[in-house]
Amino acid sequence: DTAVSQTPKYLVTQMGNDKSIKCEQNLGHDTMYWYKQDSKKFLKIMFSYNNKELIINETVPNRFSPKSPDKAHLNLHINSLELGDSAVYFCASSSWDRGATNYGYTFGSGTRLTVV
Amino acid sequence: AQKVTQAQTEISVVEKEDVTLDCVYETRDTTYYLFWYKQPPSGELVFLIRRNSFDEQNEISGRYSWNFQKSTSSFNFTITASQVVDSAVYFCALSEAPPGAYNTDKLIFGTGTRLQVFP
Repeated sequence: DTAVSQTPKYLVTQMGNDKSIKCEQNLGHDTMYWYKQDSKKFLKIMFSYNNKELIINETVPNRFSPKSPDKAHLNLHINSLELGDSAVYFCASSSWDRGATNYGYTFGSGTRLTVV
Repeated sequence: AQKVTQAQTEISVVEKEDVTLDCVYETRDTTYYLFWYKQPPSGELVFLIRRNSFDEQNEISGRYSWNFQKSTSSFNFTITASQVVDSAVYFCALSEAPPGAYNTDKLIFGTGTRLQVFP
């Protein structure tokens, strides 16, 4: 029973293509996030959504567009991929409810995107 | 501004040695949350501990222990009797809001410390 699942795990694509990464959580959490881990392992938040509403957008290029069809899903669509977009993208979810399953932050296993 | 500093880029030890990973944070808030995550070679982020700023008790979990010192803004992590399976990158992180609360919480990560434990 994976709590936060991302697909695909690996994604290799050419520059200029458009691609999507999907994320789903079955924890009942209200808030979901996308984090980016660059080649030097540095982790930085990109977006957060609370119950389908965009809350945080950390000056990410507008080629990146998150979409949350419901509070259990947060997908990341990337247009016109560039070499510099190569990274590992982590989805996460969280809940303020201390009684919630996995109170705190729960991360997915990551999607390694390679742009060639 | 919020900032997390992990000055140790890489540490190498031999199995059974004790090792301490340093974490220093900066925040203007009086209430904040500190975290440690482990990233093994397989790449996933494994949650280790969460500490609230108003709870300065140190914590021990098996071979792991954490020393939270508000006076020096540090949240150090010690592994006792290290094992090869402890080899990983360890991240310290800070949030100025509880997870999921107020809709503005986010994790600020340090740059990580790579720990290599040799047999």
